[in-house]
Amino acid sequence: NAGVTQTPKFQVLKTGQSMTLQCAQDMNHNSMYWYRQDPGMGLRLIYYSASEGTTDKGEVPNGYNVSRLNKREFSLRLESAAPSQTSVYFCASPARWAGAGETQYFGPGTRLLVL
Amino acid sequence: EDKVVQSPLSLVVHEGDTVTLNCSYEVTNFRSLLWYKQEKKAPTFLFMLTSSGIEKKSGRLSSILDKKELFSILNITATQTGDSAVYLCAVVRQAGTALIFGKGTTLSVSS
Repeated sequence: NAGVTQTPKFQVLKTGQSMTLQCAQDMNHNSMYWYRQDPGMGLRLIYYSASEGTTDKGEVPNGYNVSRLNKREFSLRLESAAPSQTSVYFCASPARWAGAGETQYFGPGTRLLVL
Repeated sequence: EDKVVQSPLSLVVHEGDTVTLNCSYEVTNFRSLLWYKQEKKAPTFLFMLTSSGIEKKSGRLSSILDKKELFSILNITATQTGDSAVYLCAVVRQAGTALIFGKGTTLSVSS
């Protein structure tokens, strides 16, 4: 999880409550990503940001908003939480290798339970 | 539609067995394929494969890519209980875009 931090690590919400998940990377990367992981579904992209000030929808953006206020931070907001948003959320940032290589490093994850 | 399919979805073996995990893909602008191991926390990187036929090895783990048949395999020899995890396959398209993940293979190694 080199260089990618997330807060909080765990959160319980009631339906309709709002919250913001925070992510920060200290690797000076342009791109940042938010994924959610559900049992049997793998990781699915919610939103991504190719550079500071830009954001784009991923595979499952409904119910979420994001903010990329600076190069280092990328936050994910749930305006009105629903039980279907119970999941583990991962923030990621890429690390490019020489040539065509690129991998992604993940933050430690946020476990969210919506009651 | 781009997709990555892993098989089997789950696998139970005994310590010492050898296992092969499969990953097939259909994506545009393929650049590389990644394998991750996930043990109840964030995925940790195992291998990156960009060229066909070149085996990557790390201890008891190895992986190879076939870009003609669009698949990769991850082999684990002499399995140990510490190998129990979810193994994720993901494909990288053009630089700066999100990964496309398979659903993962859950490996359970019993002692």
